[in-house]
Amino acid sequence: GAGVSQSPRYKVAKRGQDVALRCDPISGHVSLFWYQQALGQGPEFLTYFQNEAQLDKSGLPSDRFFAERPEGSVSTLKIQRTQQEDSAVYLCASSLATVHEQYFGPGTRLTVT
Amino acid sequence: DAKTTQPTSMDCAEGRAANLPCNHSTISGNEYVYWYRQIHSQGPQYIIHGLKNNETNEMASLIITEDRKSSTLILPHATLRDTAVYYCIEGTSYGKLTFGQGTILTVHP
Repeated sequence: GAGVSQSPRYKVAKRGQDVALRCDPISGHVSLFWYQQALGQGPEFLTYFQNEAQLDKSGLPSDRFFAERPEGSVSTLKIQRTQQEDSAVYLCASSLATVHEQYFGPGTRLTVT
Repeated sequence: DAKTTQPTSMDCAEGRAANLPCNHSTISGNEYVYWYRQIHSQGPQYIIHGLKNNETNEMASLIITEDRKSSTLILPHATLRDTAVYYCIEGTSYGKLTFGQGTILTVHP
């Protein structure tokens, strides 16, 4: 079946621009996570949704980062006024509520110039 | 900050068992040990997880010490396609994962 999909796969933004990254989780998955992965590093947790409720946003690095999942399915990660340090791969993962296995998407590679 | 410690890199011969160690001395009682791997340019892939008991699935086995301060992931018959970065992770029950640097496993012919 279809896995987690993310779009766009690649995004180049000029410093100061706003970007929106989309995640389509596996149908029926209640939990959704966003991670940021800098080059050569492991992924870092950003935020967690259970259905439409954002239950943990402790990893968002600044108030320029905003995530939403209004209908409990598709999620969007928005970054306002992008900075060079925002350049990274942004990974989305989803899971069923009662299991531990997270399914990751291929990621969106954001490059801020 | 990552709470687990893993070797930076390991090698393994194809067909042999790969044993990847991990130290998680600060793990709390309700945190799980998860293992994921990441092949270049792909998202991480779940391998296995455990709380106290040893676990086995079709991909691997997980051996957790009695004091839960360390664990070993075992790939019983490594193949070239198992070459990847392997992450040992302490995670909450709802799934928040704190990745570290991981171990680069290279399987060679």
